[in-house]
Amino acid sequence: DADVTQTPRNRITKTGKRIMLECSQTKGHDRMYWYRQDPGLGLRLIYYSFDVKDINKGEISDGYSVSRQAQAKFSLSLESAIPNQTALYFCATSEGTRGFFGPGTRLTVL
Amino acid sequence: AQSVTQLGSHVSVSEGALVLLRCNYSSSVPPYLFWYVQYPNQGLQLLLKYTSAATLVKGINGFEAEFKKSETSFHLTKPSAHMSDAAEYFCAVSDSGGSNYKLTFGKGTLLTVNP
Repeated sequence: DADVTQTPRNRITKTGKRIMLECSQTKGHDRMYWYRQDPGLGLRLIYYSFDVKDINKGEISDGYSVSRQAQAKFSLSLESAIPNQTALYFCATSEGTRGFFGPGTRLTVL
Repeated sequence: AQSVTQLGSHVSVSEGALVLLRCNYSSSVPPYLFWYVQYPNQGLQLLLKYTSAATLVKGINGFEAEFKKSETSFHLTKPSAHMSDAAEYFCAVSDSGGSNYKLTFGKGTLLTVNP
């Protein structure tokens, strides 16, 4: 089984809808991250969490919120999706210099 | 603040030729540096990382990179390209000293390998 899983893997939604992307990990890591990938822009950090009670904004947090429900779960929400949030979203965990990325969620906002 | 510049958004080489993908970084503290590869419609795979040990870092699939502090560079090389190397490559930097994975990524370089 994969160490970092993301659900859904693909999602198409409409402008204005609320959507949640979920990330689960079995590695027992305290540190979790959400990144967004856009063509030609690389990956950018949205939010990160160093433990269940620690949530921090990243480079591009506007329009997003997160919830760290447990050590193993870190969810990303778009309260009111807009088309420029169409992207590939990656969750990651880390321990020291070792990082583990999930398979990604491809989100399309129409 | 940290930043990464990947020179060349698209690099094309012939099969068997040298692969050179350029990465320059900016960091106010000694950096940790990473190269990731992304094959079409797939996730990210770590190729190699520099964590302040040896300046020449060997990775998977025959790739290696050399950390040059004086040039603030971490270029990725492979002596002989293979068709299977066609992918997008991302350089990333961390200034956390290894305490976390808050990475700043470059914009990526798409590698095309011609037969």
